Amino acid sequence: GNSVTQMEGPVTLSEEAFLTINCTYTATGYPSLFWYVQYPGEGLQLLLKATKADDKGSNKGFEATYRKETTSFHLEKGSVQVSDSAVYFCALYHGSGNTGKLIFGQGTTLQVKP
Amino acid sequence: KAGVTQTPRYLIKTRGQQVTLSCSPISGHRSVSWYQQTPGQGLQFLFEYFSETQRNKGNFPGRFSGRQFSNSRSEMNVSTLELGDSALYLCASSLDRNRNYGYTFGSGTRLTVV
Repeated sequence: GNSVTQMEGPVTLSEEAFLTINCTYTATGYPSLFWYVQYPGEGLQLLLKATKADDKGSNKGFEATYRKETTSFHLEKGSVQVSDSAVYFCALYHGSGNTGKLIFGQGTTLQVKP
Repeated sequence: KAGVTQTPRYLIKTRGQQVTLSCSPISGHRSVSWYQQTPGQGLQFLFEYFSETQRNKGNFPGRFSGRQFSNSRSEMNVSTLELGDSALYLCASSLDRNRNYGYTFGSGTRLTVV
């Protein structure tokens, strides 16, 4: 079945460090891929998305490229800030009509220290 | 425009009781999905509604049910509550034809069963 695997956390970085959170997926066909972020006590916010192979999603300095050949969608940011501390979820949407749903990875906690 | 609104934000119920959670989607969004988030199981899909009809359902027992009204507002109900039902329940809405472009989530309802 369809699934998403993320690197385990927590990931602890110093401010201005480079961030990579790995995400790989298993799915037939061509799913859409997403990164969501969850701040403490809040719901999920869509961070970025890519709907086809080789697409690059970007937002707020974060980027991720849809790599069909490696079934990956790694999240990167060149210089993290303390305010980026949150839980990050990789997700895919697959299917249509009566079968579509979001499938999430287990989440990766990012802690950024000043 | 207003986001996805979930009420109440917090609930404490006793084992064996039932509970109803409410979700108002973004205006114009007719697809509403529900997810359960727990530390152990992560984010799991409960069900999706579109035009007052359940379109898709996850692997949850029949104690979990939902409905959608003509104005697209949705409710989910959990009967005979168990301790393991303690979780953050998230509602998400989307334009139906663009579900593969992402869902917008509410802040969730935190349910505690004692």
